[in-house]
Amino acid sequence: EAGVAQSPRYKIIEKRQSVAFWCNPISGHATLYWYQQILGQGPKLLIQFQNNGVVDDSQLPKDRFSAERLKGVDSTLKIQPAKLEDSAVYLCASSLAGSGYEQYFGPGTRLTVT
Amino acid sequence: AQSVAQPEDQVNVAEGNPLTVKCTYSVSGNPYLFWYVQYPNRGLQFLLKYITGDNLVKGSYGFEAEFNKSQTSFHLKKPSALVSDSALYFCAVRDYSNTGKLIFGQGTTLQVKP
Repeated sequence: EAGVAQSPRYKIIEKRQSVAFWCNPISGHATLYWYQQILGQGPKLLIQFQNNGVVDDSQLPKDRFSAERLKGVDSTLKIQPAKLEDSAVYLCASSLAGSGYEQYFGPGTRLTVT
Repeated sequence: AQSVAQPEDQVNVAEGNPLTVKCTYSVSGNPYLFWYVQYPNRGLQFLLKYITGDNLVKGSYGFEAEFNKSQTSFHLKKPSALVSDSALYFCAVRDYSNTGKLIFGQGTTLQVKP
C-alpha cells in the first residue's frame, strides 16, 4: 500500500513570497490533515478535511494560509505572503473516517523563509 | 482542554537495556492515546494506540505501552533497546471535539548507545 505523498520535500523562499504544498493521501482515506511542526515542538493541526469539506480550521492563520481538497482526494496548502515564523515542517496525514483510527503521515515539506 | 506532557526532553539508554519514555495526559473523559516515532527528515510513524481494553498495548518494532488511569500515564516501553531505536518519540491524545484531531506532546529524544 502506497503511503502519503508530499511535495516538494524542501522549499526556501523569501518573506512575503508565496508557496504551495501538495499532498496525496492513502487511497480510501476520507480524512486529511495538515500539521505545522516547528523545530523542537510537536505537530500542531492547521486544518482537517473530511472528504472535501473542512472539519476544523480553528488554528489556521486565515489571513495568509489557505487550503483546499478538490474531489476529496489530493490537497494543497498555500501560504501567501510568507513570514519568517512560518519556517517549519508541514506534515500531511490521512486516516480512515472515525476518531479511533490512527493517522498516517507523509515525509513532510521543510519550509525555510529568509 | 485535552493535553499531553512528555516530561523528559531526552532519554539515554545503553543498547540491550530496557527503555521507558514517559507520557502523562489530561482529558475530560476516556482517553484515546497514541505513540508516534519520527526519524530524521522523515514523517511520523504510528507505533501503537490505546482505545479501550487491556492496559498493556503492544505495537510495532517490539514497543509496548502501559495505560494507567489512576496515574493518567501512558508510558512507552521496550524490554531491550536497539541503537536503531534512536529517534524522536511523540505521545498524542485525541481531542474530544467531533473532529478527533490529535494533540501532541513536545517530544522526547531517545538516544541508544552501543
